[in-house]
Order: sequence, then structure tokens, then C-alpha cells
Amino acid sequence: AQKVTQAQTEISVVEKEDVTLDCVYETRDTTYYLFWYKQPPSGELVFLIRRNSFDEQNEISGRYSWNFQKSTSSFNFTITASQVVDSAVYFCALAQRDTGRRALTFGSGTRLQVQP
Amino acid sequence: EAGVTQSPTHLIKTRGQQATLRCSPISGHTSVYWYQQALGLGLQFLLWYDEGEERNRGNFPPRFSGRQFPNYSSELNVNALELEDSALYLCASSNKGYREYTEAFFGQGTRLTVV
Repeated sequence: AQKVTQAQTEISVVEKEDVTLDCVYETRDTTYYLFWYKQPPSGELVFLIRRNSFDEQNEISGRYSWNFQKSTSSFNFTITASQVVDSAVYFCALAQRDTGRRALTFGSGTRLQVQP
Repeated sequence: EAGVTQSPTHLIKTRGQQATLRCSPISGHTSVYWYQQALGLGLQFLLWYDEGEERNRGNFPPRFSGRQFPNYSSELNVNALELEDSALYLCASSNKGYREYTEAFFGQGTRLTVV
């Protein structure tokens, strides 16, 4: 079975602080995909990043960076110099290559509150 | 380019009735996924359609069903509504789906309230 754990239920920071959202996953497959989505109050899930299991290169996109470590089954997300607009619920998710398990398995989400 | 669109935005139904939710994928996308986001239960996979076929379904009773049309739009039907069906229903589309994997993009959701 596959599972995604986001242990942090809610994080509150002050604007301009850096914040890291943790994600730990479990899967028996050797080929899989990891994702981060952002859900603002409007409800729509906004795609942020996809990482393939065979590509452990970390990625930076503006203020966002992602640290994928296969050895610890973690895919953490860091926001540098947080802004109020970053306030949202962030979901980590896992999908398998096997067509029978192609759908996303989501973590429970981390609510990020950025105070001005 | 238009994103994934869902209708209606809000839907209020009485227990026992049927609800129909609609989803139009991004142009060129052939795969449509449905997810339920109920309070306290998180995001759970419901159904996956690709090129008109149901490819997989989550752990939901048969009264949750749907279909995908030749233009790749999709509808989700929920029969014999129960109070616990109240949730945000999210549709997502991706542009390959069955043959290879690509990320899914979500619509704004339909909030279903069962009273």
C-alpha cells in the first residue's frame, strides 16, 4: 500500500520567515511520482511540482525549493521569505506508474498561515 | 487556455436524491480524475476515466458512478445521497493518462451539500 504523511497540521510564521513543509511517503514500487499542490481558500488545487522517483535532483523555483531524499523517503518543500499570499493548505501526493494505481494518494495537508 | 472547469459551483440536494456534477478538462487532455474532499477525511480518489473508459475507481460504493463523453468531458453521478456525501468534489485532467504519466491539473470544485 502507498501512504503519504504530512505530520505538520498547521504552521504559523511571520512574513519573510523561511518555512519548511515536511512530507514522508511509503511505497513498494520502484517507479513513482511525487507532487506538491497548493489549495488556497478558493478551493482549487494548484499544481506546484512533480518529481520522478529516478530523479533525485533538488529543484528551486523562485522562492520555492524542494528536497527529495529517497534514502529517507522524504520530499520536503521550503518557502523562502514567506509572503501573506503563501497562506494556504499544502498537499504532498504520490502516484504510481502502474495504471492500476495511477491516481494520487494525498497526505492530510499542512495549513500554512503567514502573518503580516 | 482555459483550465479545468466544473459545474455547478455549489449544489444543494436532499438526502435520497441524485446529484450530477460536470467537468470539462483542459483542451487536449484525455484523462479525467474525480476526488472527494470531505471534512476530516482529506482528499480521496473516486474515479479515473481515460479515452472514454473507466480505468480505476477508489473505495467508494457503486452509487458513485460516472462517465466520460467523446469530447473527454465527464460527469459524476451520486445516487441515493447521504448526509456524509457532503463534500467538495474536485475534478482533474491530464494529457496522457493511460499511456504514460503526467501531472494532473484541478478545477475549482463543486461543493455538494446534502440536507
